[in-house]
Amino acid sequence: AQRVTQPEKLLSVFKGAPVELKCNYSYSGSPELFWYVQYSRQRLQLLLRHISRESIKGFTADLNKGETSFHLKKPFAQEEDSAMYYCALKAWDTGNQFYFGTGTSLTVIP
Amino acid sequence: EAGVAQSPRYKIIEKRQSVAFWCNPISGHATLYWYQQILGQGPKLLIQFQNNGVVDDSQLPKDRFSAERLKGVDSTLKIQPAKLEDSAVYLCASSPGTTDTQYFGPGTRLTVL
Repeated sequence: AQRVTQPEKLLSVFKGAPVELKCNYSYSGSPELFWYVQYSRQRLQLLLRHISRESIKGFTADLNKGETSFHLKKPFAQEEDSAMYYCALKAWDTGNQFYFGTGTSLTVIP
Repeated sequence: EAGVAQSPRYKIIEKRQSVAFWCNPISGHATLYWYQQILGQGPKLLIQFQNNGVVDDSQLPKDRFSAERLKGVDSTLKIQPAKLEDSAVYLCASSPGTTDTQYFGPGTRLTVL
């Protein structure tokens, strides 16, 4: 069963516009959720994790257990935000298995 | 600080051949992960090591895939024999412990013809 769903494969926004990348998960326990980012020709890297409750590069993500969502948001998109974004879940009940979504490619139009 | 190193970066083989990938994690990182990322999909965890012991290999196709981390540092992932559907990028990641941030290598792109 798909643990993490990212419904949008592609997302384009204009520079300065708000951006929201959607992530929904399926997990019965207490999840640990992450957003990873891969910029062009760079390695996959952690953007943020929900337990840190911090803002990285202007991005925030709030865990909504009622809606089983962990959407990534930024009020004003910048061109350098163009990248591939992956939502991931760590499942404590299956030996710390990591499950990644299929990713959303964000393009910020100048 | 040197990052996670992987080699080779690219590999092209014919089906039924064997192939091996190598990963050198960040120094001092106890946990090492191997992922398979098929085009258009997210990374899929194949195996997780804690030092030289296997923490989880539930998604590793054990009939053809094997991995080892004998001295708790470097690791190799082997496919024998390869199938067309094994074409993917194989990512290695490491972290200080199982609850810490993972640091990814550049990946090895495997093409099976």
